[in-house]
Amino acid sequence: ETGVTQSPTHLIKTRGQQVTLRCSSQSGHNTVSWYQQALGQGPQFIFQYYREEENGRGNFPPRFSGLQFPNYSSELNVNALELDDSALYLCASSFYSGQANTGELFFGEGSRLTVL
Amino acid sequence: AQKITQTQPGMFVQEKEAVTLDCTYDTSDPSYGLFWYKQPSSGEMIFLIYQGSYDQQNATEGRYSLNFQKARKSANLVISASQLGDSAMYFCAMRERRDDKIIFGKGTRLHILP
Repeated sequence: ETGVTQSPTHLIKTRGQQVTLRCSSQSGHNTVSWYQQALGQGPQFIFQYYREEENGRGNFPPRFSGLQFPNYSSELNVNALELDDSALYLCASSFYSGQANTGELFFGEGSRLTVL
Repeated sequence: AQKITQTQPGMFVQEKEAVTLDCTYDTSDPSYGLFWYKQPSSGEMIFLIYQGSYDQQNATEGRYSLNFQKARKSANLVISASQLGDSAMYFCAMRERRDDKIIFGKGTRLHILP
């Protein structure tokens, strides 16, 4: 089965710029979550998409936005980049059946963003 | 308030010894799941083990077992017969049924010594 893939793996931006990160979910999965992991910290939940709609959001400002496409792939967009946005951005997919979601997340290797 | 607490920022363990990584959690939701993930230096989060709040027995997956003490809200990871390849960051995480998002602790960096 195809795992979760993310692109790009590394990128460098400057303050004020915009960035788009991409994620292809694992085959058979219908839910995508995005996490931000600052250096030395645990991942922080940004938001989750199910059936192309956001169905959960963490404590992140509106300049963090996302999309989920019919093939369940996803994008994370960050506008007006700030220095503190420098982090590893992890995408994770899972299968949600409509009942309680107790399945584990399968993560990609992440996109490491550096904001100068 | 911290929902997931990992009190050991770093640990050094001799190869082949067993190691216990501590995790306590806080929730009022009776239905939740607990996870452990391993993160090598490459950055990928690798799922290790899962424990549901209603599971009667402690979860085990090969060399990994989860010491689930519900009354104490504790979910420690036990790695038996540690190997050099176990050196990595380890994260405890929880998903509450009402919320669905997974919350991670700050992690424990495990170093296995030859």
